[in-house]
Amino acid sequence: RKEVEQDPGPFNVPEGATVAFNCTYSNSASQSFFWYRQDCRKEPKLLMSVYSSGNEDGRFTAQLNRASQYISLLIRDSKLSDSATYLCVVNKGSGGYQKVTFGTGTKLQVIP
Amino acid sequence: NAGVTQTPKFQVLKTGQSMTLQCAQDMNHNSMYWYRQDPGMGLRLIYYSASEGTTDKGEVPNGYNVSRLNKREFSLRLESAAPSQTSVYFCASSDVGSGNTIYFGEGSWLTVV
Repeated sequence: RKEVEQDPGPFNVPEGATVAFNCTYSNSASQSFFWYRQDCRKEPKLLMSVYSSGNEDGRFTAQLNRASQYISLLIRDSKLSDSATYLCVVNKGSGGYQKVTFGTGTKLQVIP
Repeated sequence: NAGVTQTPKFQVLKTGQSMTLQCAQDMNHNSMYWYRQDPGMGLRLIYYSASEGTTDKGEVPNGYNVSRLNKREFSLRLESAAPSQTSVYFCASSDVGSGNTIYFGEGSWLTVV
């Protein structure tokens, strides 16, 4: 079983739709969680951290379920500019060194 | 704001040639990383340096060497390139002081023929 698993998609959704991605992780000792966004032929960039209590940033909501070992990302009112690949990231490390594992990504295509 | 800068952006090598990918960060981060990204495989850690003066193997170190020249610079060397090393390479850095966010360079597209 992969350490971090994501549905590769693609998710093709119309503008204005709500879309949700899930990501499961296998190591219960994982300490912190993130969603990164990667545009085609670009570097990954941090979208948001994921906290146990859930967190929201504008149209984006991230949640963590430690008992079931998954994290989710919800995008409301999808925009064309949301089209990208979304990477789930799980960190087992602490301190300065980030012992992270990246998921292979979920591709989102928002259609006009 | 330069962030993480890596060179070259594109390179074509012949099998058996050697080359070095250069990386520098101006954020005073302690930790630096080299990843490769292949279709369907996600980002895989080649080597990392938790702090200046230390380097350690990641998930896929074979065929690569690294040097943490100073706090700013972390280079990746391919001693004898193989077609299996055709990939996109990302340098990255992070630090507790920056919330442990990993910042990536723009990537280096390497083709080995």
